[in-house]
Amino acid sequence: SYELSQPPSVSVSPGQTASITCSGDKLGDKYVCWYQQKPGQSPVVVIYQDNKGPPGIPERFSGSNSGNTATLTISGTQATDEADYYCQAWDRSTDVVFGGGTKLTVL
Amino acid sequence: EVQLVESGGGLVQPGGSLRLSCAVSGFTISTYWMHWVRQAPGKGLVWVSRIDGDDGTTTSYADSVKGRFTISRDNAKNTLYLDMSSLRAEDTAVYYCARMRDSSTGLDYWGQGTLVTVSS
Repeated sequence: SYELSQPPSVSVSPGQTASITCSGDKLGDKYVCWYQQKPGQSPVVVIYQDNKGPPGIPERFSGSNSGNTATLTISGTQATDEADYYCQAWDRSTDVVFGGGTKLTVL
Repeated sequence: EVQLVESGGGLVQPGGSLRLSCAVSGFTISTYWMHWVRQAPGKGLVWVSRIDGDDGTTTSYADSVKGRFTISRDNAKNTLYLDMSSLRAEDTAVYYCARMRDSSTGLDYWGQGTLVTVSS
């Protein structure tokens, strides 16, 4: 079965750039999406098809995907960006697969 | 406006059954891939099941629920279902329904979730 790995936590200072990685075998051959989930809320997609931002998502959210690693980058991180972030890909054998999630702390 | 509203969660004993519903408005569920995703308390997102946007006969399940859960939909009611049986303590989670256009676009709309607790 296909698996995605994320660091459990990432810390960033306000205004700085946060990078969250997602690793999987030949992940660059698949499309990756990223979700933001705040406590008590449903997930919200912030990046789809590796690097596209849905309407309403701030442009400070960007994504890339190559080789075995996809990266979510948040530029000029704000306190409101503090949340759990999940990467997601689709694999023919596993269907939808999520990474384990990364808790982003803005301090 | 797109809305997905789950219902049917609650407390059930191990070995019991439960049916979750996801009432949808704002789009036609038969034209999208529809999914169930769950999240155990304090844990991450886990995919559960998918039904394709065709005649509804194409379905897929996570290994952990295969043979115990059944996904279906009622096009006339524009409602998605998840029938769960032989429930275990490890099935305890918030269950979300979500929409996906295709495998590349991600889950773009989610419901608010419904909590299923399996306990004696």
